[in-house]
Amino acid sequence: EPEVTQTPSHQVTQMGQEVILRCVPISNHLYFYWYRQILGQKVEFLVSFYNNEISEKSEIFDDQFSVERPDGSNFTLKIRSTKLEDSAMYFCASSATEAFFGQGTRLTVV
Amino acid sequence: QKEVEQDPGPLSVPEGAIVSLNCTYSNSAFQYFMWYRQYSRKGPELLMYTYSSGNKEDGRFTAQVDKSSKYISLFIRDSQPSDSATYLCATRKINGQNFVFGPGTRLSVLP
Repeated sequence: EPEVTQTPSHQVTQMGQEVILRCVPISNHLYFYWYRQILGQKVEFLVSFYNNEISEKSEIFDDQFSVERPDGSNFTLKIRSTKLEDSAMYFCASSATEAFFGQGTRLTVV
Repeated sequence: QKEVEQDPGPLSVPEGAIVSLNCTYSNSAFQYFMWYRQYSRKGPELLMYTYSSGNKEDGRFTAQVDKSSKYISLFIRDSQPSDSATYLCATRKINGQNFVFGPGTRLSVLP
């Protein structure tokens, strides 16, 4: 069964460093997403991506964040100059109609 | 008012019980509805997807949507300890791409 895959599963980084989280969406899906879940809190929308551009983004997705689809299969989230409060699970999802999620990358900023 | 609301629980039931999980939403523009199951530190797993009022059944799971009341439910029959997880409802507008999640209800099924 097709699935969304994310790497790495866990990333530890120092405050102020840049991180890139990677995702391989389901191959025939056209919409891609990044969501965030701070421990014990709800799943929060960051950004959606369609036709090689951002289609929607939340207030959380500020200039510190960027997304890219560098080739036909990967979808990345870059966080520049990470802050302690960026520590969370980051989920990639893709959809045709309903969204399918990856297992997440746990980002720990120290 | 929050867009999507759920009772956070925790909800504890004995094995074999019928579980009822509920969710309300505020915006009538939401037309697509999903239920996800999330185990601790894992990604949300899609259980049910529906876009019409009424019931949809899949195995032990039944999703119910009442658009007039802006109320959606998930029923789990013959609940098992392996059903212990957080259940998230999610919704999307007909022309939107953003899936809006409720905060989730934590369920414990006790053997």
